[in-house]
Parts: sequence; structure tokens; C-alpha cells
Amino acid sequence: DQQVKQNSPSLSVQEGRISILNCDYTNSMFDYFLWYKKYPAEGPTFLISISSIKDKNEDGRFTVFLNKSAKHLSLHIVPSQPGDSAVYFCAAIKFMDSNYQLIWGAGTKLIIKP
Amino acid sequence: EAGVAQSPRYKIIEKRQSVAFWCNPISGHATLYWYQQILGQGPKLLIQFQNNGVVDDSQLPKDRFSAERLKGVDSTLKIQPAKLEDSAVYLCASSRATWGRRAYEQYFGPGTRLTVT
Repeated sequence: DQQVKQNSPSLSVQEGRISILNCDYTNSMFDYFLWYKKYPAEGPTFLISISSIKDKNEDGRFTVFLNKSAKHLSLHIVPSQPGDSAVYFCAAIKFMDSNYQLIWGAGTKLIIKP
Repeated sequence: EAGVAQSPRYKIIEKRQSVAFWCNPISGHATLYWYQQILGQGPKLLIQFQNNGVVDDSQLPKDRFSAERLKGVDSTLKIQPAKLEDSAVYLCASSRATWGRRAYEQYFGPGTRLTVT
């Protein structure tokens, strides 16, 4: 039962253009969403987050949009740079009692072409 | 601040052998996680510690996997005996114990790539 889905295994974008990575979820009770970035042979690094009470959060070149009615979020990178080439994971916060768990998507590999 | 340290970085073993991984979290981070990441999938939580107590180990295959966190700092994850399907990257992460937005941000080590033949 995949509660967080990233349906595009890979995405190729020209340098300088906008990269849009998508994520869908099934549980309307998720309270928080995060994006992580992963380079080969390294662990994921936190990129940006958004609370379920917001519809947009921006941090420099990175913006995350949340559409709760569609259970969909997206990460926009503008402009895309070669260093953005990595695997991007979407994750949702699931609260359990007094603890929480991250529910991860399978990741999307972003390739920025020069 | 120093990041999450893991060792070894790579390990190749035969099935039915044993293996252990070590993790040193970021100083001051009370919460520590072990994840298993199979190629093409997102990380899967195996166990979560709060200080030296287990908070969640519901997805840990306890017949072969074990983990401990001595003195609430370093942690080891052991597999005994290993199976072919255990081939994966094992990631350790840590986060701040306090509640709130930044408590959700987990900091990951580079991982240990395990190959079981």
C-alpha cells in the first residue's frame, strides 16, 4: 500500500529552465510534507518542507506547492542548475500516538542537461 | 557541526553470514533511525530510538535483525543470518528530540551498501 507516490522515475530538464517534480498521496491525514535530495553514494539531505495548512512554501530557487483537494504536491526548481541533478524524494509525516513516521515515495531522478 | 557517521561504507557477505553496521549521530540529536533502502525504492524505517529506548520497531524483521543504542549515542544494527533479499543500502539518520517543525528534519549518514551473495 503506497501512501506516497512519485510516478515519474526520472525527469530530464534543460539547464536554466524550470524543473517540476510531482508527488501524490492517499492519506488525507498527513500533516506535513518534506522533500529530500540525494546524490549518489550519499544519504538524503533535507531540502524543503510544507505544512498541510499552507499551499506554498518558498526557499530560494525551490518552491513547494500543496493541493490538498487533489492530494498532490509539487517541487519547482527555478532556474535549474547542473548541481540539481540528483534523486528527489517526497515524504509525508504520519503521526502515531506521541511519535511520527516519515512515509517515503520511491524518488524521481532529475537530470539537468547543459 | 559534524554529520552522521556510518561504517563500513560497503560490505559484501555470503548468505547466512552475519554483519553489523555502526552509526554515530549528530551530537545532541536524541532520536536515531535505521532505514533500509532497496534500489528504486524510498527508505523504509526499520527502527527508531529516542535516546536509548526503542520508539518504533514494527518493521524490523526481528528473527534476523537486531539493533541497540548504547548510552543513547552510537548505535549498531546487526543482521544474523543474512539473506539475499537483505541486499540494500542501510541508512542511519538522526533528528532533534524537541517537538516542532525542525524535529521532522532528519539528517542522514552516507549509508552502508550491503551485498549478500
